[in-house]
Amino acid sequence: GESVGLHLPTLSVQEGDNSIINCAYSNSASDYFIWYKQESGKGPQFIIDIRSNMDKRQGQRVTVLLNKTVKHLSLQIAATQPGDSAVYFCAENYGGSQGNLIFGKGTKLSVKP
Amino acid sequence: GAGVSQSPSNKVTEKGKDVELRCDPISGHTALYWYRQRLGQGLEFLIYFQGNSAPDKSGLPSDRFSAERTGESVSTLTIQRTQQEDSAVYLCASSSGLALTYEQYFGPGTRLTVT
Repeated sequence: GESVGLHLPTLSVQEGDNSIINCAYSNSASDYFIWYKQESGKGPQFIIDIRSNMDKRQGQRVTVLLNKTVKHLSLQIAATQPGDSAVYFCAENYGGSQGNLIFGKGTKLSVKP
Repeated sequence: GAGVSQSPSNKVTEKGKDVELRCDPISGHTALYWYRQRLGQGLEFLIYFQGNSAPDKSGLPSDRFSAERTGESVSTLTIQRTQQEDSAVYLCASSSGLALTYEQYFGPGTRLTVT
């Protein structure tokens, strides 16, 4: 079946560097994507979202890029900080209802001081 | 205001026993969601409620799983005759509505261990 997946299960970066976390999706009907951050022992926390009619969206220190041609999603974190250490999940949606969110397996980001 | 709370935070049970997990959503949130997260895995969607109604129960892994919600507030997820493969973190989330414009807020989860 179709699923959301991630290219890299772990990512280690130096504090202050930029981080790029990748995600592949296979459902061409997906029209909405979300990135979540999950710190140890906590539930996921919304970071940023993007709709399929956009290819880029920026937030505070984060940018999400969507490439519909190759069905690829990425999360860029600028000036990565120790507090950014967490597992990052992408999720895709089709149908316009939150009852249809499909999550990827996650990438663990470790920030070295 | 208070976020989504879940209880218990940890539950250890013997294989074959029934367990009940509780979720208290953010007050006023009409939509509530249950997910399962196995170790090192992403979130697996189980069921959602709009009000007290669960339109689609097909995400529940087996008929040992059931969920209910009363008073558009508290929800319970019940697992009967637990199996070792049920061991996971069970996450609950709530949102103001089902439309994608409403953010889901997650609770800290209940870690279930079946021995």
